[in-house]
Formats: sequence, structure tokens, C-alpha cells
Amino acid sequence: AQKVTQAQTEISVVEKEDVTLDCVYETRDTTYYLFWYKQPPSGELVFLIRRNSFDEQNEISGRYSWNFQKSTSSFNFTITASQVVDSAVYFCALIQGAQKLVFGQGTRLTINP
Amino acid sequence: DGGITQSPKYLFRKEGQNVTLSCEQNLNHDAMYWYRQDPGQGLRLIYYSQIVNDFQKGDIAEGYSVSREKKESFPLTVTSAQKNPTAFYLCASSISSGSGEQYFGPGTRLTVT
Repeated sequence: AQKVTQAQTEISVVEKEDVTLDCVYETRDTTYYLFWYKQPPSGELVFLIRRNSFDEQNEISGRYSWNFQKSTSSFNFTITASQVVDSAVYFCALIQGAQKLVFGQGTRLTINP
Repeated sequence: DGGITQSPKYLFRKEGQNVTLSCEQNLNHDAMYWYRQDPGQGLRLIYYSQIVNDFQKGDIAEGYSVSREKKESFPLTVTSAQKNPTAFYLCASSISSGSGEQYFGPGTRLTVT
């Protein structure tokens, strides 16, 4: 069975600090996709990134970076020089084959000015 | 602008009444999904549809019904059989089911008293 665990329920940091959100997943398949979504206070989920299981290359997009390590089944998300606008709930998710997207419980990130 | 619309943003109903939540997309996506989100929780899949005139139950389909008569539309009916209908409901779509990222609507917050 697929499972996604985001052990950090809430994180609070001061603006400009770097912060890493952890995501650990379980799946028996060798082909799968991992996602990160951002849910700001408005409620709509915003797609951030998709990574397939055969691509372990880390990705950087501006202040955002993702570290995918199959050896530890982790897909962690780092925000560098955090800003107040980064405050949101962040979800990690997994899908394999034509199965449903499985979400973690989410991490509520608060960036304090 | 392409996207997913859900209306209304807030919905109030009396217990025992059925209520239908609308979801429309103009992204030409084949697959559409309904999720439920409770406070502090992740998303749980209610129903999904991979193609017009076809849909499948998700993890928590009891007390809900859907239809997919048009590619653009995937309405969700919350029936009186749903024991705890108060929640935030999110609709999503993707090019196809499986590996593609899902794009989400703004959500409908349903309160039943």
C-alpha cells in the first residue's frame, strides 16, 4: 500500500531563515511520481513540483529546492530565505500507475516577520 | 483564463437536505476528482472520473454521488446519508489519471447544521 508521512505537523521560523519540510513515502512499485502542493489560507492547492521515481536529480526553482533520495524514500522540500508569503500548509503526495494520489497529512509553515 | 471553478465558496444547509457542489474546468482535462478536507487533515478522495460517463469510488464515497455527463463538469452531491458532511471540498482535474499533476479549484466550504 502507498503511504506518505509528513512528520512535522507545524513549523514556525523567522523570516529569512531556511526551512526544510520532510516527506517520507512508502510504495512497493518501482515506478511512481511524487508531488508537492502548497495550500495558502485561501484554500486552493497550488502545484509546486512533480518528480518521477527514475529521476533523482535535485531541483531548484528560485528559493525552492527539492531533495529526492530513493535510498531513504524521502522527498524533502527546502525554502531558502523564507518570506512571510511562504506561510501555508504544504502537502507531499505520491501516485503510482493509474492509482489515486495519496497525500500526507500536511505541514503548516508559519513565517514570522 | 484556463482553470477550475467551484461555486459557491461557502454553502450552508440544514441537516437532512441534499446539496450539490459544482465543479467546472476548461482545461480540456479528461480526469476529474473530488476530495474532502477536514481541519488539520490531509485530503481524502471521494470520487474520481477518468472519462466522460464513467466514475469510480474513492476512499470515502459513502453518502456522496457524482455524475460526469460532460467533460467540463463533475458535480458532487452530498446526500443526507453522509453522517458528517461539514468539510472543505476540493475539486481537481488532470490531463489523464495516473502520473499527471492535478490542478485544484478554490474549494467549497460546506456547513451543515
